[in-house]
Amino acid sequence: QSVLTQPPSTSGTPGQRVTISCSGSKSHIGRNAVNWYQVFPGSAPKLLIYNNNQRPSGVPDRFSASKSGTSASLAISGLQSEDEADYYCAVWDDGLGGHVVFGGGTKLTVL
Amino acid sequence: QVQLQESGPGLLKPSETLSLTCNVSGDSISRNYWSWIRQPPGGGLEWIAFMRLSANTKYNPSLKSRVVVSADTSKNQISLQLSAVTASDTAVYYCARTGSYPYYYYAMDVWGQGTTVVVSS
Repeated sequence: QSVLTQPPSTSGTPGQRVTISCSGSKSHIGRNAVNWYQVFPGSAPKLLIYNNNQRPSGVPDRFSASKSGTSASLAISGLQSEDEADYYCAVWDDGLGGHVVFGGGTKLTVL
Repeated sequence: QVQLQESGPGLLKPSETLSLTCNVSGDSISRNYWSWIRQPPGGGLEWIAFMRLSANTKYNPSLKSRVVVSADTSKNQISLQLSAVTASDTAVYYCARTGSYPYYYYAMDVWGQGTTVVVSS
């Protein structure tokens, strides 16, 4: 069980806006930048958001993210069928010598 | 273009030691951090460790006692050893470039395709 809490699943219809939450604590989200990854079945993860709200080159601006206190969220607007994937938040945890932690992941279904 | 390619045994027996390598092309392992991550069947991502040649290696506390990460600069590759494996170590194992400009804060921007490891007697 991860120290970062994400909803196991969420869904939306094409064109909708969906958000995925990532809840943590002061030792990680409260102090460090959050990154988000997109994972399609059978494929390697892809960096979707870095440093809380920055998009790597090539990531559509439909994807956005924010952080407040000990929680972060990923938003996908104008939902498309190809957005159906698993999404993970990740952050540096200062505890126990320092290590990276991933959220449990959220499966997004486009109805 | 930076590319990472993992390789490993595929199948191990319980109590054996898993050894994986990650060949890096298009970048030098002397720069950046390099992570190992795994994903068990039907499960989520789990960070294992990362290393940087000029800095301390960091480990997942739950795996630290069984993990060794090393580098071979002559081959531009990093390696992972995981000892005393059990069925719960069955997973797809990935290596990933970590913390490369501008992807600070340990963001992993380039990933290998992953290698499947099955632990079974």
